[in-house]
This record gives sequence, structure tokens and C-alpha cells, in this order.
Amino acid sequence: KQEVTQIPAALSVPEGENLVLNCSFTDSAIYNLQWFRQDPGKGLTSLLLIQSSQREQTSGRLNASLDKSSGRSTLYIAASQPGDSATYLCAVGNTGGFKTIFGAGTRLFVKA
Amino acid sequence: ETGVTQSPTHLIKTRGQQVTLRCSSQSGHNTVSWYQQALGQGPQFIFQYYREEENGRGNFPPRFSGLQFPNYSSELNVNALELDDSALYLCASSLGSGEQFFGPGTRLTVL
Repeated sequence: KQEVTQIPAALSVPEGENLVLNCSFTDSAIYNLQWFRQDPGKGLTSLLLIQSSQREQTSGRLNASLDKSSGRSTLYIAASQPGDSATYLCAVGNTGGFKTIFGAGTRLFVKA
Repeated sequence: ETGVTQSPTHLIKTRGQQVTLRCSSQSGHNTVSWYQQALGQGPQFIFQYYREEENGRGNFPPRFSGLQFPNYSSELNVNALELDDSALYLCASSLGSGEQFFGPGTRLTVL
């Protein structure tokens, strides 16, 4: 049974700092991994999608890596801004993409 | 291009009642997945519909059921509501098993 864990559960950093959010999963037979952002009480905004054959994806100040063999993914945020404050969720798609398992998220607060 | 929409935004029901939530998928997408998100937790997968057929199901009882229509929009039905069903219900559309795009959610409160 796939389990997804995100560490840390919460993080507070000063503006401008580079930071890394971690996601680990127990079953390496994944189809893809997707990182999302969620603002309080809102839906999820897709940030990056990594297919199982890929090692990383980049979009602007965001970079996500995937290491299937160790069951880990990281989301790197460069030069953090107060507007980055949100909950970040990683989601693992199992083989075939029929079921997606989410972590509990990392709540990020960037102080101005 | 129209994104994923959900209705209603908020809903209040009492225990034992039935509820129907609706989701319109993004243009060009043929797959809809439904999730339940309790406060402070990650979304939990309920089920997925692909071309009008249920294509995968999470650990939810049969009183959670769904439909997908020929235009790929979808409904989530919950019968015999319980207090623990209070949550944010999210739908996501995708093209097959590709990148998922989420709607804004429906906040359901069961009293």
C-alpha cells in the first residue's frame, strides 16, 4: 500500500531564503509525481508534474526532483517571497494512474 | 480555455440526507477524479471516471457513488450523510493519467 510522507509539516522562513520541501513514498512503482500549492480553503494549483522516467522538472523559481529508487522527491523554491506562503502537497500516481495518493502537505510561511 | 468548475461552492446538510456535487472538466479532458479533504489533511482519493466508467476507487463505502456524462462532466453522490462526511470535496480533470487540474472545491457541512 502506497504511503506518502511530507517533511517538515510546517516551515517558517524569512523572505529571500532558498528552501527545500521533502516528499517520500513507500512504493517505487509510480506512474508520476505532481507537486501542488493550496491556499487556505481553496482548490489545488498544479506546480510541477514529473513522469516516472524523468529526474526533474523546473518552472521559474521552482525545481522538483524525483529519485524513484530511494522513494523521494524534493521541491526547491529559490528566493522565497511572502506570496509563496501556502500549503504544498505532493501526490503520487500509481502505475496506470488509476489512483493518486497525497501527502499531508507542508505549510510554508514566508516572512516579509 | 475553461478550467475545472464545481458547484455548489458551499452546502449544508443534515445527517441521513443525500447530496449531489457537480464538476465540469477542463476542455479536452476525458478523466475526472474526486477527492475528499478533511481540515488539515491531504486530499483522499474517492474514485476516478474515465470515459463514463469508474476506473479506480479508494477506501470509501458504497454510499459514495458517481457518474460521468458524455461531455465528461461528473457528479459525486453521497447517501446517508454522516457527520464525518463534512469536508472539502475536490474534483480534478486530466487527459487520461496525465497532469491533474483541480477545481475550487465544494465545502460540505453535515449537521
